[in-house]
Amino acid sequence: QSVLTQPASVSGSPGQSITISCTGTSSDVGNYKLVSWYQQYPGKVPKLMIYEGSKRPSGVSNRFSGSKSGNTASLTISDLQAEDEADYYCCSYAGSNTLKFGGGTRLSVL
Amino acid sequence: QVQLQESGPGLVKPSQTLSLTCTVSGGSINSDAYYWSWIRQNPGQGLEWIGHIYYTGSTYSNPSLKSRVIISLDTSKNQFSLKLSSVTAADTAVYYCARLSYKSSSYDPGWFDPWGHGNLVTVSS
Repeated sequence: QSVLTQPASVSGSPGQSITISCTGTSSDVGNYKLVSWYQQYPGKVPKLMIYEGSKRPSGVSNRFSGSKSGNTASLTISDLQAEDEADYYCCSYAGSNTLKFGGGTRLSVL
Repeated sequence: QVQLQESGPGLVKPSQTLSLTCTVSGGSINSDAYYWSWIRQNPGQGLEWIGHIYYTGSTYSNPSLKSRVIISLDTSKNQFSLKLSSVTAADTAVYYCARLSYKSSSYDPGWFDPWGHGNLVTVSS
């Protein structure tokens, strides 16, 4: 079962906006509104940041937003802050009660 | 607030069966509101969905692991468990349990929250 494709790394300066892409196929990302995004600091537990493509759980900053176009989902972080430096993973429903994760993206705040 | 906690051995010998339990507190697993899932993360690598179970006992697992995975429920203890057979060094990972929410209109699973703290399992002789 192949993983979703994410860039290995992205970087940005404080105050800037960055976007992390998550590319799948018409069998997963493109076919369902069930993409979620997770933030993980080194050695820590992943934290849900976005669900159902664009919804934010209570307590997650509105600087985090999600969207989708075709087979690619995106996570945008605006007004980048030092505390946003972490690994980010996307996940998508892939039909038949299966799920796929992306390979992860390391975000560096310069 | 629901909390999950994994427990189990940190070291398993090659070819043996890895067994982990997830204890849920603050909510019942005997509910139609969620699935209960296992995810793992190899050292320095990404996340991999292993499988999940519904309160009815229906289970679903990653096709790449399916023949080796058994997920079960113990509603009397509010726990669910993972067994992974015939392990090799490639199964060395942090194993997480997590509550898995689904889209109410379709029962399609969608997002993991909350997560347990994780249990590092090393496969080595």
